[in-house]
Amino acid sequence: QVQLQESGPGLVKPSGTLSLTCAVSGGSISTSNWWTWVRQPPGKGLEWIGEIYHSGSTNYNPSLKSRVAISVDKFTNQFSLKLTSVAAADTAMYYCARDQRVVGQDAFDIWGQGTMVTVSS
Amino acid sequence: SSELTQDPAVSVALGQTVRITCQGDSLRSHYASWYQQKPGQAPILVIYGKNNRPSGIPDRFSGSSSGNTASLTITGAQAEDEADYYCNSRDSSGDHRVFATGTKVTVL
Repeated sequence: QVQLQESGPGLVKPSGTLSLTCAVSGGSISTSNWWTWVRQPPGKGLEWIGEIYHSGSTNYNPSLKSRVAISVDKFTNQFSLKLTSVAAADTAMYYCARDQRVVGQDAFDIWGQGTMVTVSS
Repeated sequence: SSELTQDPAVSVALGQTVRITCQGDSLRSHYASWYQQKPGQAPILVIYGKNNRPSGIPDRFSGSSSGNTASLTITGAQAEDEADYYCNSRDSSGDHRVFATGTKVTVL
């Protein structure tokens, strides 16, 4: 079955760029699903960051849009997140997830285990 | 601020029924999906669409919707159901997804 695995640096300096990759295994990234990033600051709730389709179409959280870029690599079956100008408030567990698209019944049905990113000098 | 709201916490006696609600104007047009998250674990999908359960989710979990409110009901709560529960749907524009603030369920 499809599995997702996040990877990337666990520590990023303030004002730097956070870069994470999500590897999709057990299935193709080029399906009718969208692929999503979600984050969760320590002790807080979930926040949707954005999503991408295998064609490269994206949607971003309006509150993060100026700093976020999500890309897809169909050849390596991966998608990636870049978040620029990071600050302490960006410290969080970052999850990638599959967004199944069944007419009117969208849902994040498969999640990676998450990767903790700390913003600190 | 989130466009979807949930009560911060609810408690339920073992074996009893608990309903968790999620409110927001966008729920008049879009279904909610519900996620269970236990400490130190990634969220898992428990209910989506009108009232659909992914494979492996017990049938004591059910969903419903009326007006601007979506609900997740646990009928016969078990100790292992103690967790945080989040609803997700689209925002008022329909272009973006949004999570509610989450509800901590305690099983007494």
